[in-house]
Amino acid sequence: AQKITQTQPGMFVQEKEAVTLDCTYDTSDPSYGLFWYKQPSSGEMIFLIYQGSYDQQNATEGRYSLNFQKARKSANLVISASQLGDSAMYFCAMREPRGTGTASKLTFGTGTRLQVTL
Amino acid sequence: DTEVTQTPKHLVMGMTNKKSLKCEQHMGHRAMYWYKQKAKKPPELMFVYSYEKLSINESVPSRFSPECPNSSLLNLHLHALQPEDSALYLCASSQERAAGGYTFGSGTRLTVV
Repeated sequence: AQKITQTQPGMFVQEKEAVTLDCTYDTSDPSYGLFWYKQPSSGEMIFLIYQGSYDQQNATEGRYSLNFQKARKSANLVISASQLGDSAMYFCAMREPRGTGTASKLTFGTGTRLQVTL
Repeated sequence: DTEVTQTPKHLVMGMTNKKSLKCEQHMGHRAMYWYKQKAKKPPELMFVYSYEKLSINESVPSRFSPECPNSSLLNLHLHALQPEDSALYLCASSQERAAGGYTFGSGTRLTVV
């Protein structure tokens, strides 16, 4: 069963505008972490922002903020003041503890391709 | 040093070849991961090493053989691959329980001919 859902395959936003990328998740574990990564066409996965399940406040990192609604199991990414360099694939991901020792599993959503236009 | 370094960046190999992908980190992370990413798809977990021991194997075919010779290095040995194994292979590392998040390398683009 799919545990991370991103329902927007593609999004367009004008430069300097804000955009929200949606992410919903499903887990029965009370302890989990939610991540957003940016992947440009070059392939590297760039960490943007993290929200822990017990964090009381929504995470923010510069122009990125995470709208965490625990009861609705959603963790939407808000990018303010979009820039042309923000054009990329964006993945929402969830960490669940699994395996032995310190191992954990990071599961990705299907991604949203964001295009920033002039 | 806050990077995960993967080599080579690109690799083309025949179906009878044996090759290896290398991943290195010097952040003191004790968990290391291999992910496979097909075009236009999300990364899929293959293997997880914790304290140099294999912790998770996501039912990966035996033609992929991981190795963790020490806490900084992670290899992926490839043998008798199929064209459908062509993909971007991403390595990542993390602190205990990934409290500090995961750091990814820039990947190896593998083409099997």
